[in-house]
Amino acid sequence: DTGVSQDPRHKITKRGQNVTFRCDPISEHNRLYWYRQTLGQGPEFLTYFQNEAQLEKSRLLSDRFSAERPKGSFSTLEIQRTEQGDSAMYLCASSPGVDEQFFGPGTRLTVL
Amino acid sequence: EDKVVQSPLSLVVHEGDTVTLNCSYEVTNFRSLLWYKQEKKAPTFLFMLTSSGIEKKSGRLSSILDKKELFSILNITATQTGDSAIYLCAVEALGQNFVFGPGTRLSVLP
Repeated sequence: DTGVSQDPRHKITKRGQNVTFRCDPISEHNRLYWYRQTLGQGPEFLTYFQNEAQLEKSRLLSDRFSAERPKGSFSTLEIQRTEQGDSAMYLCASSPGVDEQFFGPGTRLTVL
Repeated sequence: EDKVVQSPLSLVVHEGDTVTLNCSYEVTNFRSLLWYKQEKKAPTFLFMLTSSGIEKKSGRLSSILDKKELFSILNITATQTGDSAIYLCAVEALGQNFVFGPGTRLSVLP
């Protein structure tokens, strides 16, 4: 499968714990995006990488959230000290340099 | 603040009907508008629109953009139950940030 992959697909954690998600984009896609989607809402932009550089981060994003793309390939999104309001689907998308995006299956986070 | 609005938020039709979904936007430095279909998984790409007045077509789906009035429509003709999904509109704005609308939930009844 040469699509965008995300791991894990589901994560259940207790409030206050740290979680880390991984996204592997389509090979040679230089742009990588992270979104959060809650029930009944469209995806909400979190952050964006071009190669290894993090070019934009949503003003709405708490300091508890951090993302990296160290070698310009896979990316990780970490949430520290999780809160119940962090429960959502976390989507990763990659883009080859034009305006289309290809989405991964998402990681569903449940914070108890 | 960049904003994308979709209407209606929910729509129920019968197979064979034609539907029109609306997307209006207010963004800084518009680059493109995209339509996605989302079923019980991540969104899948339908269309990308960058120029006004040029219709994009794929089978029973078509879409057009009006950059003067800041909106786009997505048409689906002869709807089928498999068209039931959430249809998302997204606009690429300044800084290559994508802003999504809330989506239109379409239900097609047999």
